Amino acid sequence: QTVVTQEPSFSVSPGGTVTLTCGLSSGSVSSSYYPSWYQQTPGQAPRTLIYSTITRSSGVPDRFSGSILGNKAALTITGAQADDESDYYCVLFMGSGIWVFGGGTKLTVL
Amino acid sequence: EVQLLESGGGLVQPGGSLRLSCAASGFTFSSYAMSWVRRAPGKGLEWVSAISGSGGSTYYADSVKGRFTISRDNSKNTLYVQMNSLRAEDTAVYYCAKHGTAMVRGMDVWGQGTTVTVSS
Repeated sequence: QTVVTQEPSFSVSPGGTVTLTCGLSSGSVSSSYYPSWYQQTPGQAPRTLIYSTITRSSGVPDRFSGSILGNKAALTITGAQADDESDYYCVLFMGSGIWVFGGGTKLTVL
Repeated sequence: EVQLLESGGGLVQPGGSLRLSCAASGFTFSSYAMSWVRRAPGKGLEWVSAISGSGGSTYYADSVKGRFTISRDNSKNTLYVQMNSLRAEDTAVYYCAKHGTAMVRGMDVWGQGTTVTVSS
């Protein structure tokens, strides 16, 4: 069973830059997995940030960007703000209609 | 404005059944694939099931295959999931989500969720 891996936690200083990654327990992530990124704060619905590797969802500020870095998908947040403190999830398309989420990264801004 | 509104959650005993609904508005419902995604207490998001715009193709996570059935009524702009043989580990907030212009573009709009609790 393929596992999608994310850092369990990360911290960034206000105004700083952080890159969260999304990998596979076996193999490399490429754009063929159509990686997407979501932000979720407690008690709220997920918010779509990035889809198809690099495309920002409507209304998402350009501080958020997606890419492939090495063998992983990546979400970079520049100029981190206090309200960026959230859980971040990636999801990969495994083919045959199947999606798998990563375990999520809890981002702290301090 | 695109909106998704889930309903049907509640408390159910282990082994019981529940049907969740998701009423969609603000877009041409039949043109888009839809998914159910859940978040169990203390855990992360888990993709549960997806259905094509026509309803002709359905997909399931291994954890629910054979117990859950996704369906849609395009005349009513409504997505469903029938959940049978429920287990404690199915306790979660269930979200419906609309996919982008192609299923591979992932989920782009989310409902607010409905809570399912499986407990005796």
